[in-house]
Order: sequence, then structure tokens, then C-alpha cells
Amino acid sequence: DSGVTQTPKHLITATGQRVTLRCSPRSGDLSVYWYQQSLDQGLQFLIQYYNGEERAKGNILERFSAQQFPDLHSELNLSSLELGDSALYFCASSARPGTGAGNTIYFGEGSWLTVV
Amino acid sequence: GNSVTQMEGPVTLSEEAFLTINCTYTATGYPSLFWYVQYPGEGLQLLLKATKADDKGSNKGFEATYRKETTSFHLEKGSVQVSDSAVYFCALSDRDSGGSNYKLTFGKGTLLTVNP
Repeated sequence: DSGVTQTPKHLITATGQRVTLRCSPRSGDLSVYWYQQSLDQGLQFLIQYYNGEERAKGNILERFSAQQFPDLHSELNLSSLELGDSALYFCASSARPGTGAGNTIYFGEGSWLTVV
Repeated sequence: GNSVTQMEGPVTLSEEAFLTINCTYTATGYPSLFWYVQYPGEGLQLLLKATKADDKGSNKGFEATYRKETTSFHLEKGSVQVSDSAVYFCALSDRDSGGSNYKLTFGKGTLLTVNP
């Protein structure tokens, strides 16, 4: 158990709909990352937050957005869903940079999204 | 930019065979190196890591040594088991250009199948 909690584990929804994926980082971790894993694209970095602020952006579509709340949990919002958005979405967290463990990123078990 | 190249799979071995999965990297800084494992239907788990040159990471019988001179971090196991069947990802973590944030760069993953 990595200590990173993601909900829901599985989600099936229709095209055009909107879903929210939730992530609780490991206790004390300030950084939260979102990744998408699909068969054709592999593991893609989407976005990172640090202590509530956006820190880095990857291959995140404009239809997707994320935020990190004061209690450090994060949500990834996916809207106007398309069939190609079907994937496993990972949340990950890491400690504060400069700490001994700050360079290690721990992943949750992922949220399986199926768009039909 | 940073990149990770790992041997393409799939790799199929018999139980008790020796495993090597090659991984090489390109990085501008002094990265930490990781192997993550994804068992069928599950999330990403940290398998082992090494944070500086000549460090050896080890876990569950797997080992990898950080070789700065060859920019490599090959994963090895002396005797694989059926339960080791999974996808293995090599990754590096380095500070971004701002110096205050760690970024994780993944290889494309190698599927290992171990037959009884």
C-alpha cells in the first residue's frame, strides 16, 4: 500500500459526460501528480500541483482540469468525454523537494475510466 | 530534455530463469533512478530505487545498479517466478529547470511473462 488513495476505482460513463476523479496523497506529501495510462499512448504526465498551486503541466487536454485543495487532496475533472479518454488515471504524490524522500513519487492504484 | 529508453518486450522466460531488462537514460542533471512494476489489473508500485552513482537498489530479489559511466540502470533477477509476470517501467526523477520541483520521466515499459 503506497498510501495514495484514489476514488473511484472503476467508472463507466457515456460520451459527452463529465467525471471527477479524486486523490488523497500520502500523509504529509505536498506534491500531487496526475498521469494517464492508455494502451496506445503509454504513461502520460498530465499535471502536477504543489501545496495547492499548479507546478507543471504535461499533455493535459483543455477538456481536463485539476485542482488541489487546502487539505491537499486533489481532483481531476474530465469533461465532454470521448471514447479515446478511456484509460487508467493515476494519482501520485511526493514529499517536499529538498527532503530526503522528495525525489520519490508514489502512485495510487488508479481509476479505471471507460467511456462508452 | 530527459529521456529513458528500456528494452522492448515482450520478454518471455521460464520459471527460475535469469532476468535482465535493460534501461538507459539521458539527463542533464543528477537524477535518481527507479523501477516501477505494474501487475496485471493493478496500479504502479515502486520496486526499487537508487539516488546516486554506484548505488544498488534491491527488493524482492530484484536488483539494479546506478551506472553513471554507462548511463544505465538495468534490472536483474537471478531466478524469476510466475508471480513476477508484470510490466516493468524504468524511470528517472530530476529537478526541473526551476530547481524546485521533481519530474518523473518513464520508459515505455517492458512486459515480462514467466511460464511455469
